[in-house]
Amino acid sequence: AQSVTQLGSHVSVSEGALVLLRCNYSSSVPPYLFWYVQYPNQGLQLLLKYTTGATLVKGINGFEAEFKKSETSFHLTKPSAHMSDAAEYFCAVSDGVRDDKIIFGKGTRLHILP
Amino acid sequence: DSGVTQTPKHLITATGQRVTLRCSPRSGDLSVYWYQQSLDQGLQFLIQYYNGEERAKGNILERFSAQQFPDLHSELNLSSLELGDSALYFCASSVDPSGSYNEQFFGPGTRLTVL
Repeated sequence: AQSVTQLGSHVSVSEGALVLLRCNYSSSVPPYLFWYVQYPNQGLQLLLKYTTGATLVKGINGFEAEFKKSETSFHLTKPSAHMSDAAEYFCAVSDGVRDDKIIFGKGTRLHILP
Repeated sequence: DSGVTQTPKHLITATGQRVTLRCSPRSGDLSVYWYQQSLDQGLQFLIQYYNGEERAKGNILERFSAQQFPDLHSELNLSSLELGDSALYFCASSVDPSGSYNEQFFGPGTRLTVL
């Protein structure tokens, strides 16, 4: 069975500071990994995804994540936080082979301090 | 705008009632997925349909059912509603879950409040 653990339900960073949101996964098959963002009162938007190939994945809005198989991690980073980054972020995993259901983590709410 | 539409946006009903949530996938997408987002359970996969047939099932209660119609829109039926069913219900669609990666596009959700 697949699972995702996001460390920290709330993370606060100052505007301009580094954003680091942590995600660890468990999967019995090579995983597909995702980060989704949910702005208040909105649906989910895909930030970035890892399927195969290069382990450093670049997404929208300056975010990137690195797939580290040895650490079973897929942490999300952004060099400089912006006020508009305040949202809830979900790490997710899918095996993409037997079926495409996505297993989500509990989410991390990112707060940006002025 | 993902191209996935969900109706209604908001639904308020009473315990014991039955409701139907509707989802129209993106043009050309054959697969529809339903997810439930609640405060205590987080985001959970409920069920997936592909070209009219059920393909995968997640944590969907027996009181809930879904179907996908020939025009590929899908409906999620929730019956004998309980207070704990209050949640945001998302629909997502993808082209073809044939074993290679297919991105899922999420709709804006239907917020269900059970009083």
